[in-house]
Amino acid sequence: RKEVEQDPGPFNVPEGATVAFNCTYSNSASQSFFWYRQDCRKEPKLLMSVYSSGNEDGRFTAQLNRASQYISLLIRDSKLSDSATYLCVVNADTGRRALTFGSGTRLQVQP
Amino acid sequence: NAGVMQNPRHLVRRRGQEARLRCSPMKGHSHVYWYRQLPEEGLKFMVYLQKENIIDESGMPKERFSAEFPKEGPSILRIQQVVRGDSAAYFCASSYRIQETQYFGPGTRLLVL
Repeated sequence: RKEVEQDPGPFNVPEGATVAFNCTYSNSASQSFFWYRQDCRKEPKLLMSVYSSGNEDGRFTAQLNRASQYISLLIRDSKLSDSATYLCVVNADTGRRALTFGSGTRLQVQP
Repeated sequence: NAGVMQNPRHLVRRRGQEARLRCSPMKGHSHVYWYRQLPEEGLKFMVYLQKENIIDESGMPKERFSAEFPKEGPSILRIQQVVRGDSAAYFCASSYRIQETQYFGPGTRLLVL
């Protein structure tokens, strides 16, 4: 089983749509959670951290369910510029400092 | 304040040659991480270094791969006797402190012919 699992997609949605991505992680000791965005052939960029209480940043809302080991990202009012791969990322408190990445969910927003 | 810098951005090597990838962290950052991304896959951790020390190399292949982060100069990821399977994008990230946000460089795309 992968440490971080995501639906690879692609999710093809029209502009203005609301789209949700889910992610599950296997290590219950995980402490920090993030969503990164990666454009084609570019580096990952931090989109937002994910907190237990849930958090929102403009059109983006992230949720964490520790009991189910589940993370979600909701994008409202999709823009063409949101087209990218969204990476679910976890940092386990095992002494390792490394981030563990999911394989990503590809989003294509269409006009 | 420049971000994380990596060079070269693209590197072509023939099987058996050596590849050297360089990473300069953001100013003030002393923690460096190397990740590898194979085509159509997620990033996989390779090694974590602080100045002059390898802290965690649990993701590094046992042979041919080595990394350093000297007191002066960039961090270097070195791959000896490259094989076609080494073709990938290699990303470096840096952070100011442990467990703080990691910022990624633009990556080096290695192609082994």
